[in-house]
Amino acid sequence: GAGVSQSPSNKVTEKGKDVELRCDPISGHTALYWYRQSLGQGLEFLIYFQGNSAPDKSGLPSDRFSAERTGGSVSTLTIQRTQQEDSAVYLCASSFRTSGRSDTQYFGPGTRLTVL
Amino acid sequence: AQKITQTQPGMFVQEKEAVTLDCTYDTSDQSYGLFWYKQPSSGEMIFLIYQGSYDEQNATEGRYSLNFQKARKSANLVISASQLGDSAMYFCAMRVGDSGYSTLTFGKGTMLLVSP
Repeated sequence: GAGVSQSPSNKVTEKGKDVELRCDPISGHTALYWYRQSLGQGLEFLIYFQGNSAPDKSGLPSDRFSAERTGGSVSTLTIQRTQQEDSAVYLCASSFRTSGRSDTQYFGPGTRLTVL
Repeated sequence: AQKITQTQPGMFVQEKEAVTLDCTYDTSDQSYGLFWYKQPSSGEMIFLIYQGSYDEQNATEGRYSLNFQKARKSANLVISASQLGDSAMYFCAMRVGDSGYSTLTFGKGTMLLVSP
C-alpha cells in the first residue's frame, strides 16, 4: 500500500520489558513524526526526523524513550523498562518535508501498547 | 505559542443533516495552516481538509468544507449530509510559519455521533 504502515498493531508487554515499535513512512517523505495518544486524550508530540536526524528530542517523556531512523525511511521507537503509564496508542506520521504551513502529515494506523 | 481550542466534547447529528464542528485558534504568526483530521474507532488519523491563512476562499473537499473566519480566528468544519460512517473523533490542528520546523498543534477533539 502507499500509506504509512506501523507494526505491530497491538503489543501487550509486562512492566519492565523493552518494546520496539516500527514505522514505515510513505515513499518519498523525508519527514517522520511520532506521537502518543493516551486513552481519550489528544495527541502528544514525541519526536520528529528530517532524513535520519532528529533535531528536537525534547518531546520524549523520559530517557527510557529513544528513536532512530535509518536510510531516510523506516523508524523505530524503543521504550526501555516499560511502565504502566506508557500504555497508549503510538502514532507515526510522515510528510514531504518539515517546513511550510501547508505540509500535510499523513498518519499510520498506530500501535496500541498495553503494559501489564 | 500556538493553541487550538475545540469547545464541543461531543456532538450528535441525524443522518443526512449537516453539522458544524467548532475550532478556534490562537497564534501571533501571520502565516499558518489549519488542518482537520478524523479518527474513527479504528484509531487511524485521516486527513480531511486544509486551509491556509492566506487563502481567500474557504476550502472544500467533497462533503467537507472549512468555514474560515480569520478575524475571529475560527476554522469550523462543516460536514454536509452526514453519514453513519462519519461517526468518529475529529481533531483540528494548526501549523505556523513557512520555513524551519514547526510542530503541528492539535486540539482536544470533538466526538461526533451520527444516528440513523
